[in-house]
Amino acid sequence: EVQLLESGGGLVQPGGSLRLSCAASGFTFSSYAMTWVRQAPGKGLEWVSAIGVSSTTTYYADSVKGRFTISRDNSENTLYLQMNILRAEDTAVYYCVRGVSWPDFWGQGTLVTVSS
Amino acid sequence: DVVMTQSPLSLPVTLGQPASISCRSSQSLVYSDGNTYLNWFQQRPGQSPRRLIYKVSNRDSGVPDRFSGSGSVTDFTLKISRVETEDVGVYYCMQGTHWPRTFGQGTKVEIK
Repeated sequence: EVQLLESGGGLVQPGGSLRLSCAASGFTFSSYAMTWVRQAPGKGLEWVSAIGVSSTTTYYADSVKGRFTISRDNSENTLYLQMNILRAEDTAVYYCVRGVSWPDFWGQGTLVTVSS
Repeated sequence: DVVMTQSPLSLPVTLGQPASISCRSSQSLVYSDGNTYLNWFQQRPGQSPRRLIYKVSNRDSGVPDRFSGSGSVTDFTLKISRVETEDVGVYYCMQGTHWPRTFGQGTKVEIK
């Protein structure tokens, strides 16, 4: 059974940093590109970032470019999102998603709240 | 960026009646490999999104056959042949052809 388990969310002050993790199981993680999607409270889905199978290719939404870094550890079956210089508008549930062009499985999400 | 425009944004439907959601893209979604990467997701209240349809018209395993996807190039549609109570939620289209990927605004389906 495919499982994606996000962790690392929490309350952080504006300007602070946080690292999200997504532990994958039930499939060959190293064979799939991966995506982060976020959803602000009461709002729609926003694509954030994606990474290829070998980490050589990464993509970012303009809203996070230069502040967020996506990475992966295929030996640990884990996807990461390093988030720096956090802003109030980054407050959202962050989902880890398998795939990039026709993404299929979603994690349960982890809530990031940026507030003083 | 490719803009995905859904309509309507709110869709009250009578149980057992059909429903249709439109999704239009600002650019062609046909990729150089010939595929069109237009996907539909359902998000029930309090749940993570779930994929229903991929590459325009391919229904995911376990998705009832009352759901269907159609369209081409820039104009796409998700249809529910007979709405049931469990279909209540928000539906999103998403393009996987161009970077950055983008979602539609979402269409909220509710029972009248």
